[in-house]
Amino acid sequence: AQSVTQLGSHVSVSEGALVLLRCNYSSSVPPYLFWYVQYPNQGLQLLLKYTSAATLVKGINGFEAEFKKSETSFHLTKPSAHMSDAAEYFCAVSDVTDKLIFGTGTRLQVFP
Amino acid sequence: ETGVTQTPRHLVMGMTNKKSLKCEQHLGHNAMYWYKQSAKKPLELMFVYNFKEQTENNSVPSRFSPECPNSSHLFLHLHTLQPEDSALYLCASSQADTGYEQYFGPGTRLTVT
Repeated sequence: AQSVTQLGSHVSVSEGALVLLRCNYSSSVPPYLFWYVQYPNQGLQLLLKYTSAATLVKGINGFEAEFKKSETSFHLTKPSAHMSDAAEYFCAVSDVTDKLIFGTGTRLQVFP
Repeated sequence: ETGVTQTPRHLVMGMTNKKSLKCEQHLGHNAMYWYKQSAKKPLELMFVYNFKEQTENNSVPSRFSPECPNSSHLFLHLHTLQPEDSALYLCASSQADTGYEQYFGPGTRLTVT
């Protein structure tokens, strides 16, 4: 069965610093992987997705993620954090029945 | 309207009330979902509708009753709720043959008093 583990429920960075949010997955089939962002009192917004094309995926707002099959990882990065990046981030993997399995989320805080 | 819309955005109801949440998707998708998001808990999938047919019910109590009259609309009928049902209820839609990404509405913040 598919599953997702997000390491670190809270991550804090300074403005301008590198953002790294970790996600490891378990899947019995080649996975589709996703990162979503949720701002306070809003729904989830798709940041990027991996669907077995390029292993480095670029998303919106300067974020990107690299699919590493050998490490079963799909970590999200951004070279330089901005105050507006403060939000909760969810990693997800799709299963064969068209459902998304979500991680427990990582709250990103950005300090000036 | 674009994307996925949900009404109302906020709802306060007593334990004996009956209310409904509405979701509408303007993306031409064929699958719709209800999720519950509580504080300090993972996102919980409640119901899945594919081509208007319910394909998933994740052991949701009968006080939650979904309805999908067509592929663009999804309702969640609520009755005799409990305080622990207070949460953010999110609707999403997807097109199964395009990589399974789901598009979410802004949610309805439900408070049961």
